[in-house]
Amino acid sequence: QKEVEQNSGPLSVPEGAIASLNCTYSDRGSQSFFWYRQYSGKSPELIMSIYSNGDKEDGRFTAQLNKASQYVSLLIRDSQPSDSATYLCAVNMYRNTDKLIFGTGTRLQVFP
Amino acid sequence: GAVVSQHPSWVICKSGTSVKIECRSLDFQATTMFWYRQFPKQSLMLMATSNEGSKATYEQGVEKDKFLINHASLTLSTLTVTSAHPEDSSFYICSARAGVSNEQFFGPGTRLTVL
Repeated sequence: QKEVEQNSGPLSVPEGAIASLNCTYSDRGSQSFFWYRQYSGKSPELIMSIYSNGDKEDGRFTAQLNKASQYVSLLIRDSQPSDSATYLCAVNMYRNTDKLIFGTGTRLQVFP
Repeated sequence: GAVVSQHPSWVICKSGTSVKIECRSLDFQATTMFWYRQFPKQSLMLMATSNEGSKATYEQGVEKDKFLINHASLTLSTLTVTSAHPEDSSFYICSARAGVSNEQFFGPGTRLTVL
């Protein structure tokens, strides 16, 4: 089992719809969870961090964390073509708090 | 805030030469910096973790003598690819962490092409 798993996609949604991106992780002791956006040919950009169970909203983005199910998700409301990118889930592992473990990313395509 | 720069943004070199990449945190002091490598259509691969004033911790399979990392100050870390070969061609990205937060902020990356 991979430490951080994401569906590679592509996930295709129409403009204006809600995009739902999912991530599962293996280390039950993980405490910190992050979503990064990476455009093709560019470096990752931090868009959300979440540390507690429940929802955290920031503009059109909502991160959801369920530690019991070892599941974290990202919702993008009113999706725009400019949201088309690869979304990376990253988890800070309990046994090594120094580094983040990244998933392979989900490619999101928002079509007009 | 939390801006990280990298230089150069791209470099082309001949096989056998060494290339140095700089990573700077511009508006914060980075206690820890990280170096990643990313091949086309693949995810980030952590190469090493660098703490200011101490030796870098390399991930399994990464040759420390080939990828030299120096973190001389709280705002600067360098990665030197020694005796580069075509298989070292990749996108090298650094990130920096400020204080006790686990958030990492990435530099824009350096695209290395070895001929």
